[in-house]
Amino acid sequence: NAGVMQNPRHLVRRRGQEARLRCSPVKGHSHVYWYRQLPEEGLKFMVYLQKENIIDESGMPKERFSAEFPKEGPSILRIQQVVRGDSAAYFCASSPPQGQGGNSPLHFGNGTRLTVT
Amino acid sequence: SQQGEEDPQALSIQEGENATMNCSYKTSINNLQWYRQNSGRGLVHLILIRSNEREKHSGRLRVTLDTSKKSSSLLITASRAADTASYFCATALSGGYNKLIFGAGTRLAVHP
Repeated sequence: NAGVMQNPRHLVRRRGQEARLRCSPVKGHSHVYWYRQLPEEGLKFMVYLQKENIIDESGMPKERFSAEFPKEGPSILRIQQVVRGDSAAYFCASSPPQGQGGNSPLHFGNGTRLTVT
Repeated sequence: SQQGEEDPQALSIQEGENATMNCSYKTSINNLQWYRQNSGRGLVHLILIRSNEREKHSGRLRVTLDTSKKSSSLLITASRAADTASYFCATALSGGYNKLIFGAGTRLAVHP
């Protein structure tokens, strides 16, 4: 059983370029979460998606950042016109469908480490 | 400010000793979860404790939850060098879906 797959593992972009981070959830999981982690810090929630829907994007910057989880294919976190402050590890997690209040743990990928030069 | 805050920030012990990490949070929760992160890797789920539970065990792990004090502790007994990692608590808020709020973590170093 494949876990959450993220690619690329490492991504280097120059300031002003676009970064695309991909996440394939565990098979059968329809809920995807994206988190950002700065060095020596915990994970900060960015966005929660279900298939074709953004449920909660309260942690995502209003500009330059977008996320999608299409009916077919992986979830994509897109960062336009990257700046040095975007350098971080970005983690994707998935969970199966669940009722309100959710009592299932999240399954995490190994992250994409974005470096903006 | 963070929903979950762990202490200590760093802990250094010898193999065989017990390690205790604490977590405090601010609002009502549905459940609290502990995760482990090895350097350069993703998080691995260790244990989930629901708001109506007080204690839970899993192998060498023991988690307690005190909702009146809004705090939890993770005890690792008979630690091993392989337990060296960062440990995070995360809370799922009441009435919400499984959106987890993470603390800054405790970095545990277990020396052979």
